[in-house]
Amino acid sequence: GENVEQHPSTLSVQEGDSAVIKCTYSDSASNYFPWYKQELGKRPQLIIDIRSNVGEKKDQRIAVTLNKTAKHFSLHITETQPEDSAVYFCAASIRGNQFYFGTGTSLTVIP
Amino acid sequence: NAGVTQTPKFRVLKTGQSMTLLCAQDMNHEYMYWYRQDPGMGLRLIHYSVGEGTTAKGEVPDGYNVSRLKKQNFLLGLESAAPSQTSVYFCASSSLAGGVNEQYFGPGTRLTVT
Repeated sequence: GENVEQHPSTLSVQEGDSAVIKCTYSDSASNYFPWYKQELGKRPQLIIDIRSNVGEKKDQRIAVTLNKTAKHFSLHITETQPEDSAVYFCAASIRGNQFYFGTGTSLTVIP
Repeated sequence: NAGVTQTPKFRVLKTGQSMTLLCAQDMNHEYMYWYRQDPGMGLRLIHYSVGEGTTAKGEVPDGYNVSRLKKQNFLLGLESAAPSQTSVYFCASSSLAGGVNEQYFGPGTRLTVT
């Protein structure tokens, strides 16, 4: 099956700096790559996603890039704010049936 | 529009007891999923369903059973609970309408098995 690896497991940045989280996947059949934000005690919520026919997608301060050849995708958060502090998960989906998640990155934005 | 709801929110079981977790969605989604979340492990797929009356195994199905008798409900059963099943369980639903498969998660059920 698919194997998704996520790095780093923890990340601390100063407010206003950028944060980058990277994921790799193993199955070239994966074609949908969502990113979720999970605050403590809450449910995961989708923040951005990208499909395999697109190389980059941006939504305000958040962007995702995908390199199909290298089988990796990254989340970029610019101008970080304290409310960005949370655990972020990447995932890969094959045909939309099954989702495989990374192990999460705990992001702390220091005011 | 409640989205995805889960019942119960918390439960404590003794080893060997059984229970059923209920997931309900009111978005007419075809796909439904059950995940477990353990510290440092991310979310792992237990079982999923692509439509009423159909179920399939995910990454970690052992010790669990599921049923999807109605499109809006997806039940997760533990026949004989074990301490290793202590976890937070999340249900999710999604639709492929429009070619997008965004998952919507329920609030989670925290299960402790002693």
